[in-house]
Amino acid sequence: ETGVTQSPTHLIKTRGQQVTLRCSSQSGHNTVSWYQQALGQGPQFIFQYYREEENGRGNFPPRFSGLQFPNYSSELNVNALELDDSALYLCASSWRVGTGTYEQYFGPGTRLTVT
Amino acid sequence: AQSVTQLGSHVSVSEGALVLLRCNYSSSVPPYLFWYVQYPNQGLQLLLKYTTGATLVKGINGFEAEFKKSETSFHLTKPSAHMSDAAEYFCAVTLGGGTSYGKLTFGQGTILTVHP
Repeated sequence: ETGVTQSPTHLIKTRGQQVTLRCSSQSGHNTVSWYQQALGQGPQFIFQYYREEENGRGNFPPRFSGLQFPNYSSELNVNALELDDSALYLCASSWRVGTGTYEQYFGPGTRLTVT
Repeated sequence: AQSVTQLGSHVSVSEGALVLLRCNYSSSVPPYLFWYVQYPNQGLQLLLKYTTGATLVKGINGFEAEFKKSETSFHLTKPSAHMSDAAEYFCAVTLGGGTSYGKLTFGQGTILTVHP
């Protein structure tokens, strides 16, 4: 069974640029969530995708957007990067069936630095 | 809305001593509660979870936690600390259904240091 993978592991961008982060869900999972973890903080929920549709969003501006593909892999896109966007971005996948409980499995994260 | 407060950003114990990491939550409906561990430069690993049923839950690596509704707490314990337990620990809460389904709200984290 393959776990959650993310790419790239690190990247450096300049303020105002755009960035795309990628996540491959664990095999069999149909839900993916993205979190932002600033240095010294707990992860903050960005949004979640279930069966390719956004299924809830945290307190993040529209310049944070995402996609989930038919194979349940996912992208997080951030436009007009700001210095405060520097953080570890975590992807978590899970299996959801109706309202049944499920566990979220996290990838290793992508460390984004905005200069 | 739900929230999590972890008491103590840093906890230091000696190897072999009891580990106690504190977590209090706020939730308008019965919560699902989780403890995750994060080693340096890694993602989060699930230690244990409480959803329904038995209030004392056992997890991996000898950790356990007890859900106490009256105290709105979900403290993490381990009888005997090991050097490999040194890491950052996060308590998280989510609601069991509706639009909040599956959205984890995390505490600020507690860094556990284990001394020889």
